[in-house]
This record gives sequence, structure tokens and C-alpha cells, in this order.
Amino acid sequence: DQQVKQNSPSLSVQEGRISILNCDYTNSMFDYFLWYKKYPAEGPTFLISISSIKDKNEDGRFTVFLNKSAKHLSLHIVPSQPGDSAVYFCAAIHFLNTGFQKLVFGTGTRLLVSP
Amino acid sequence: DADVTQTPRNRITKTGKRIMLECSQTKGHDRMYWYRQDPGLGLRLIYYSFDVKDINKGEISDGYSVSRQAQAKFSLSLESAIPNQTALYFCATRSQAGNTGELFFGEGSRLTVL
Repeated sequence: DQQVKQNSPSLSVQEGRISILNCDYTNSMFDYFLWYKKYPAEGPTFLISISSIKDKNEDGRFTVFLNKSAKHLSLHIVPSQPGDSAVYFCAAIHFLNTGFQKLVFGTGTRLLVSP
Repeated sequence: DADVTQTPRNRITKTGKRIMLECSQTKGHDRMYWYRQDPGLGLRLIYYSFDVKDINKGEISDGYSVSRQAQAKFSLSLESAIPNQTALYFCATRSQAGNTGELFFGEGSRLTVL
């Protein structure tokens, strides 16, 4: 049961253009959504997050949009740079009453930004 | 130096062998996690620990065990490795004070079981 889905395994974009990475989820109880970025031979690193009570969060070139009615979030990178080429993981977190925060990852989207 | 360090970074072993992956962190975080990454499956949680005396199974704990030797150290063991445990393994940490779910990952340990 894949609660967080990234249906596009890869995306190619030209430098300077917008990159849009998409993520769909099934669990309406998720409290936070996060994007992680992973370069080869490195661990994932946190990029940006959004609370379920918001619909947009912006940090420099990165903006995450949340559409709760559609259970969909997206990461926009503008303008895209070759250094953005990496695998991007969408993740969702649910705060349980026990104090445990269940974090569920998507399968990842490989972004390639060409010069 | 990395805040979350995993050893070994790469390991090739044979079916039936015991293997241990080690993780140490200098972030002072109380919560530590072990994930595995497989192509097309994302990251899946194997075990997690909230402190030295607290160990919990994740979604794919069968065939694995863990030990939290100290707040800074969390090791993952495969008692009898099998080929479908070939994967990239990540250790991660998080502060109890954090409320956004941000994890800090190590660089990964690539394990191949022949």
C-alpha cells in the first residue's frame, strides 16, 4: 500500500526553465509534507516542507504547493540549474497519539537539468 | 566530518553470513532510524529507536535486528544475509524537539548479498 506516490520516475528540464515535481498521497491524516533531495553516493538531505494547514511554502528558488482536496503536492524549482540534478523524494508525516511520527516516503523522481 | 556516519560504505557478502552496519552521530539527537532504499520502492523503515532503551520495528523488520549501544550509536544486523537484502541502507537521526519530521541522513551503506 503505497501511501505516497511519485508517478514520474524521471524528468528532464533545460537550465533556466521551471521544474515541477509531483506527488500524490492517499492518507488524509498526514500533518506535514517534506521534500528531500539526493545526490549519488550521498544520503538524502532535507529541502523544504509544508504543513497540512498551508497551501504554499516558498524558500528561494523552491516552492511547494499543497492541494489537500486533491491530495496532491508539487515542488517547483525556478529557475532550474544543473546543480539541481538529483533524485527528489516526497515524504509525508503523520503525528500519532503515541508520540511516534510516521514518515512515509515516495519512490523518488530523478531530475536532470541540462545546460 | 559528516554528522551521521555509516560504516561500511560498501560491503559484498555471501548468503548466510552475518553482517553488521554501524551508524554513529554527532548531532546529539535522541531518535535514530534505519531505512533501506530499493529501486522503485523509495525508502522503507526497518527499525527505529527513540532512546537507548527504546527499540521499535518498522514496516520491514523481518530478517533484521538492531542495537542501540549509546545515544550516538545505532547498529543494524543481518543475522543470515539473503540476496533480497541487497540494497542501499541509510541511517537517519532526528531531534525530539523537531516537529516537522526532518531527518538527517548518513551517506548510506551499499550492501550486496551474493
